[in-house]
Amino acid sequence: SQTIHQWPATLVQPVGSPLSLECTVEGTSNPNLYWYRQAAGRGLQLLFYSVGIGQISSEVPQNLSASRPQDRQFILSSKKLLLSDSGFYLCAWSSQEGLNEKLFFGSGTQLSVL
Amino acid sequence: LAKTTQPISMDSYEGQEVNITCSHNNIATNDYITWYQQFPSQGPRFIIQGYKTKVTNEVASLFIPADRKSSTLSLPRVSLSDTAVYYCLVGADTGTASKLTFGTGTRLQVTL
Repeated sequence: SQTIHQWPATLVQPVGSPLSLECTVEGTSNPNLYWYRQAAGRGLQLLFYSVGIGQISSEVPQNLSASRPQDRQFILSSKKLLLSDSGFYLCAWSSQEGLNEKLFFGSGTQLSVL
Repeated sequence: LAKTTQPISMDSYEGQEVNITCSHNNIATNDYITWYQQFPSQGPRFIIQGYKTKVTNEVASLFIPADRKSSTLSLPRVSLSDTAVYYCLVGADTGTASKLTFGTGTRLQVTL
């Protein structure tokens, strides 16, 4: 069966510090991969998505970046965090097989920038 | 991608049936309708997906009228544990990532 791992679960970082969140998927190949952010009490904002190694599409211009060095690995990074980067970050994957795409989410990372 | 509109919040008593309606007036021919459930501090969880008419699984039913401009998620006999945010998404698999975008969802509060 497929599983998605996301870490760390919580993170407290000072303003201006770098960020690296990692997500890996097991049990499937060539998945679509996504990074979402959710502010407190708000809906999910799509940040990045990827259809393959090295292929990243950005939905929101900001100081975050994403990379996909391996088929089932997706990394969210920042060189300098802002206060506004605080939020709940979720990684998700979906299968590229079939016609009805379904998203499967990781457990999320609660990021607090102080 | 078709935009969706849902009520911001709903309240229900335990044991009642809850129906959450989602409007998607500009749904495309290839679009499917998918509902997710999210508990606090967790990622959304797939509930049900459909294209037209009615779909039922062990958790919920999804009703889609012929014009497909709306859909209704039906939760039978809700319990306190069904308190969550429910999201309606409309999108299609075009062979690439569908850029699935979530709206603000419907916050369901179930009480005794």
